[in-house]
Amino acid sequence: DTTVKQNPRYKLARVGKPVNLICSQTMNHDTMYWYQKKPNQAPKLLLFYYDKILNREADTFEKFQSSRPNNSFCSLYIGSAGLEYSAMYLCASSRDRREGFNQDTQYFGPGTRLLVL
Amino acid sequence: GDSVTQTEGQVALSEEDFLTIHCNYSASGYPALFWYVQYPGEGPQFLFRASRDKEKGSSRGFEATYNKETTSFHLQKASVQESDSAVYYCALGEDTGNYKYVFGAGTRLKVIA
Repeated sequence: DTTVKQNPRYKLARVGKPVNLICSQTMNHDTMYWYQKKPNQAPKLLLFYYDKILNREADTFEKFQSSRPNNSFCSLYIGSAGLEYSAMYLCASSRDRREGFNQDTQYFGPGTRLLVL
Repeated sequence: GDSVTQTEGQVALSEEDFLTIHCNYSASGYPALFWYVQYPGEGPQFLFRASRDKEKGSSRGFEATYNKETTSFHLQKASVQESDSAVYYCALGEDTGNYKYVFGAGTRLKVIA
């Protein structure tokens, strides 16, 4: 099973409220990633977990939090949503961090579409 | 910083036409290059990759050759089908101690039967 699942598929949030998005995979992959995708823009890597080690991009360091309670699950947390957070959020996983960036494929979930009002 | 630039917007073709989607990259090191395809309602799916200069990646009739001199990885297919209609993303992955995975903005391919 090469499926990455994301919940919910659609999320409506109010400005200033928290948002928590969930991702799961059963492939025993070491690395899990979160991307933000806005219309007509490239998917942007926000952060990734290699095993239990979190790596966040410098420009998203303070805007997004994440946790990985076990190998299968990874969450993306926004403490106080702003209008600019409206986007598609894509989760992905790969077998190994080094292979994910240099060699191996990333498996993507279907995404969660977040709309902040 | 690292970047990927690909054919903008939408490409419209008829079945059996020849496809080229341009992809150029800028990277500080020697990245791996990837093509992904995304169908409606799904996340991007890995199509193929190439890791070194002059290496050709291919899958499902699509192919691209890593060209370090021109910093390009153009996607081609000799004869497209309606089922190829999707969004195609070029991406690079690099590990120089600072991990980078950068996508292009995507190119929508519409094939008319």
